[in-house]
Amino acid sequence: DADVTQTPRNRITKTGKRIMLECSQTKGHDRMYWYRQDPGLGLRLIYYSFDVKDINKGEISDGYSVSRQAQAKFSLSLESAIPNQTALYFCATSEQTGVGTDTQYFGPGTRLTVL
Amino acid sequence: DQQVKQNSPSLSVQEGRISILNCDYTNSMFDYFLWYKKYPAEGPTFLISISSIKDKNEDGRFTVFLNKSAKHLSLHIVPSQPGDSAVYFCAASESGGSNYKLTFGKGTLLTVNP
Repeated sequence: DADVTQTPRNRITKTGKRIMLECSQTKGHDRMYWYRQDPGLGLRLIYYSFDVKDINKGEISDGYSVSRQAQAKFSLSLESAIPNQTALYFCATSEQTGVGTDTQYFGPGTRLTVL
Repeated sequence: DQQVKQNSPSLSVQEGRISILNCDYTNSMFDYFLWYKKYPAEGPTFLISISSIKDKNEDGRFTVFLNKSAKHLSLHIVPSQPGDSAVYFCAASESGGSNYKLTFGKGTLLTVNP
């Protein structure tokens, strides 16, 4: 079984609709992240959470919100989807090691298309 | 303003030969570097990393070299295998207070031909 799962894997929606992408992990990690990837671009950080009560904006948080329902669950919402939010979305987790940089473990991704 | 650059969008090599993927960075505060591999329809998976206190790190067929003065790192795969065909992302971070934040390059698509 995958350690980091994302649902749905694919979603097509219309402009203005509210969308929620869900992420679950069984790795027991405290830290969770949401990224988006656009064609020809690297991954960009949307939001991150160090624990259930600690949620922070990343570099491109406008138009998105998140909810950390439990240590294992981190959801990303698009309150009113727009076409330029069409992208591949990845959830990731990491464990704080206190040494170097956390190694992040990624889910399989959600391909979102906003028409 | 890209802080991590992978200037080659794609690379094609023959099976058994060496693959060299390059990455440049501009932020002198970066001191920890990672390579991730991504297959289609899957998330990126961690491959290898290197701290700025080293200039080389090796793990089996994969070796990462770091040239701090040139702000350049490279991933060597020897020998290359068809299963290595994937997109490779270079990522960098500051390992101090922001040790969660990874800055990614755009990726290089490696194709290993049988």
